[in-house]
Amino acid sequence: NAGVTQTPKFQVLKTGQSMTLQCAQDMNHEYMSWYRQDPGMGLRLIHYSVGAGITDQGEVPNGYNVSRSTTEDFPLRLLSAAPSQTSVYFCASALGLAGYNEQFFGPGTRLTVL
Amino acid sequence: GENVEQHPSTLSVQEGDSAVIKCTYSDSASNYFPWYKQELGKRPQLIIDIRSNVGEKKDQRIAVTLNKTAKHFSLHITETQPEDSAVYFCAASTGTGGFKTIFGAGTRLFVKA
Repeated sequence: NAGVTQTPKFQVLKTGQSMTLQCAQDMNHEYMSWYRQDPGMGLRLIHYSVGAGITDQGEVPNGYNVSRSTTEDFPLRLLSAAPSQTSVYFCASALGLAGYNEQFFGPGTRLTVL
Repeated sequence: GENVEQHPSTLSVQEGDSAVIKCTYSDSASNYFPWYKQELGKRPQLIIDIRSNVGEKKDQRIAVTLNKTAKHFSLHITETQPEDSAVYFCAASTGTGGFKTIFGAGTRLFVKA
């Protein structure tokens, strides 16, 4: 199993550009989440999904869209990038059954918005 | 919404000493409390977790305690080693499977040899 994969690893955008961060998992996990990590602020939840076709907002959803058309994939879209979105983005997944709560994180995408 | 506060933000200990990190949460519906370790440049990884129906859990040198009344939980690391140096995050989750997880701001632990 590859686990949780994210692409790209690094990305530089100009203000106003759009892009999609890709996340995929091959563990048949129901739950998937997106976090952003900024220095001194820990991991902040952007959006999460409890299964295909179901998504919900986290702590900091503004400026980001998600969709979950399949169990495996959970892309994060930035519609119009802003410098405040410069961060490291982590995708995570969890099995979703009671008693199996551990989240497995992807390697992260380092995004810089100029 | 849920808020998780974590203290201290930085902790420096001598090798062999104990380290304690404390967290408080705001949502009484939280029922799952994981702790993650993140080494420099790497992804967070689960080191221990505790559920709301348990007061204490131990795994070798690591233990976690939970006080639901006070909405407070703590991580204890005994006999610290240089390889314990990392950033540690507490988190609180609600819902089946703990799918909505809110993290604390993290504690940077330095273990001096």
